[in-house]
Amino acid sequence: AQRVTQPEKLLSVFKGAPVELKCNYSYSGSPELFWYVQYSRQRLQLLLRHISRESIKGFTADLNKGETSFHLKKPFAQEEDSAMYYCALSGWFSGGYNKLIFGAGTRLAVHP
Amino acid sequence: KAGVTQTPRYLIKTRGQQVTLSCSPISGHRSVSWYQQTPGQGLQFLFEYFSETQRNKGNFPGRFSGRQFSNSRSEMNVSTLELGDSALYLCASSYIRENRDRVYEQYFGPGTRLTVT
Repeated sequence: AQRVTQPEKLLSVFKGAPVELKCNYSYSGSPELFWYVQYSRQRLQLLLRHISRESIKGFTADLNKGETSFHLKKPFAQEEDSAMYYCALSGWFSGGYNKLIFGAGTRLAVHP
Repeated sequence: KAGVTQTPRYLIKTRGQQVTLSCSPISGHRSVSWYQQTPGQGLQFLFEYFSETQRNKGNFPGRFSGRQFSNSRSEMNVSTLELGDSALYLCASSYIRENRDRVYEQYFGPGTRLTVT
């Protein structure tokens, strides 16, 4: 069965420190991985996806198929990065692509 | 473009009742997915509709159902409500092509918070 694991419920760092939010997945097919972010009182929104290989708001994530990981990284955290981060997996599940399997989420708290 | 809208935003129901939630996707988006978000189980996929047909379904009991209209608007219905159905229900829409050859970005609505008492 497909699964996404985010081992940390809370990650607390100081402004300017590096950040790494961990995500591991379980899927035997060809995965598509995403990071979604939810800021306080805002809707869930896409931060980045592995296929686009972009850096959004200073965040990057590399898909490592050997380690089945898709960790989210940022070299210097900012206070405005404080939010809930969800890793999500998609693929050809049950005959359709448009199903996201989410991890439990990691709350990132950046302190001044 | 206007974002995904969901109505109502908040709802309080009693055990045993039924409820209907509505979702209007972004214009031009033909796929609508529904998710349930709870503190205990997190975000869980309910089902997805494309061109008025349910294409994918999560592991929820038959009390949870949905439909999609010709204008791509979607409704989900929960019958015989239980306390455990209290959750934030999220709707997401995405543009998708007929050949379904890849995963498209999903745009989420603000959610409907359902409280069952």
